[in-house]
Amino acid sequence: GEDVEQSLFLSVREGDSSVINCTYTDSSSTYLYWYKQEPGAGLQLLTYIFSNMDMKQDQRLTVLLNKKDKHLSLRIADTQTGDSAIYFCAERGGTSYGKLTFGQGTILTVHP
Amino acid sequence: DSGVTQTPKHLITATGQRVTLRCSPRSGDLSVYWYQQSLDQGLQFLIQYYNGEERAKGNILERFSAQQFPDLHSELNLSSLELGDSALYFCASSVEGGNTGELFFGEGSRLTVL
Repeated sequence: GEDVEQSLFLSVREGDSSVINCTYTDSSSTYLYWYKQEPGAGLQLLTYIFSNMDMKQDQRLTVLLNKKDKHLSLRIADTQTGDSAIYFCAERGGTSYGKLTFGQGTILTVHP
Repeated sequence: DSGVTQTPKHLITATGQRVTLRCSPRSGDLSVYWYQQSLDQGLQFLIQYYNGEERAKGNILERFSAQQFPDLHSELNLSSLELGDSALYFCASSVEGGNTGELFFGEGSRLTVL
């Protein structure tokens, strides 16, 4: 079945860039997503990328997709303390009727 | 605000009991998904409904059941509760066939089983 893996922790200093990595196994993935979860809140979609794209930039966020290696990354430029949260990578398979498979989440801690 | 409403926000109950979690999807969304989030399992897909019909099933226990009503709201029923069922239960909705396929999540129902 589908599997999505992420590193569990990332700690950066305020103003630095953060890079969160994700690998997935489903070669039929159509869309890949990055969600953010703040304490006590639901998941909020940050950005997504279609599987035929290599890169997508949205303000401070850059998503890179290496489809050959099934590797997805999220770069947050000029990371702020308000970016501290859990970041989930998710993929939508070609035959999954819309359900998303999530990684276990990366806890990003931003130090002043 | 995602537009997805879940009630109750918090629920504390005892082992062996039964609870019902409710979800109202975003206006116009026909698909509803239930996910369970726990520390050891992460975010696990439970079940999906589309316009009242079960569409996909994930790691949902036999003690759990769900349904989607004609007004498109959904309920997740959890019975014979065990300590290990303590988790955050999320509902999400989506526009079926939408271009991006993104899911919109509610804020979750936190279930504590004592």
